[in-house]
Amino acid sequence: GAGVSQSPRYKVTKRGQDVTLRCDPISSHATLYWYQQALGQGPEFLTYFNYEAQPDKSGLPSDRFSAERPEGSISTLTIQRTEQRDSAMYRCASSLDGGAGELFFGEGSRLTVL
Amino acid sequence: DAKTTQPTSMDCAEGRAANLPCNHSTISGNEYVYWYRQIHSQGPQYIIHGLKNNETNEMASLIITEDRKSSTLILPHATLRDTAVYYCIVAGGFKTIFGAGTRLFVKA
Repeated sequence: GAGVSQSPRYKVTKRGQDVTLRCDPISSHATLYWYQQALGQGPEFLTYFNYEAQPDKSGLPSDRFSAERPEGSISTLTIQRTEQRDSAMYRCASSLDGGAGELFFGEGSRLTVL
Repeated sequence: DAKTTQPTSMDCAEGRAANLPCNHSTISGNEYVYWYRQIHSQGPQYIIHGLKNNETNEMASLIITEDRKSSTLILPHATLRDTAVYYCIVAGGFKTIFGAGTRLFVKA
């Protein structure tokens, strides 16, 4: 696509529910990133994919968080048993080839856990 | 963890140059310096990056010291729309870590 697309833009859920966020990167981009951004803070790295490989999951806060990119294109971020502290903006970015390339960000998915 | 140090906030008069400093004293030889900005609740936007030479594009100039331990982003004629958080990032591979950035206020 023309840009990075994320859905849903807004998600409100109750504590304990599972949520899945989706990212559709720029079509030619090999590398895809997930960030979590709390209000007033900079984006916090969660994980990244190079095609379908996921070399670095070090930023995932707990084992309730997981991400997939099975065909090297669209990615999903799933949060199981959501907690109020998971409330944040979740941002996806893609890059042509990672490394020294620039990141293109989507508009984000704002998650609110009640 | 972020490898850069930036002032928390800065002011700049509209029409004047905005000079945003960044310290990255532990930068290694294969790491680039990147600058992004984030306006309000939008996603971060790439501005410019460089390895060791100064760089200029339509948005800004990047001045990197000879020892590469610090850099300055220059917005030559700041406008009110340049009010944003500016992030200086050092990265050599795939992992891009954002710090807290500098909140730039451009005032009329």
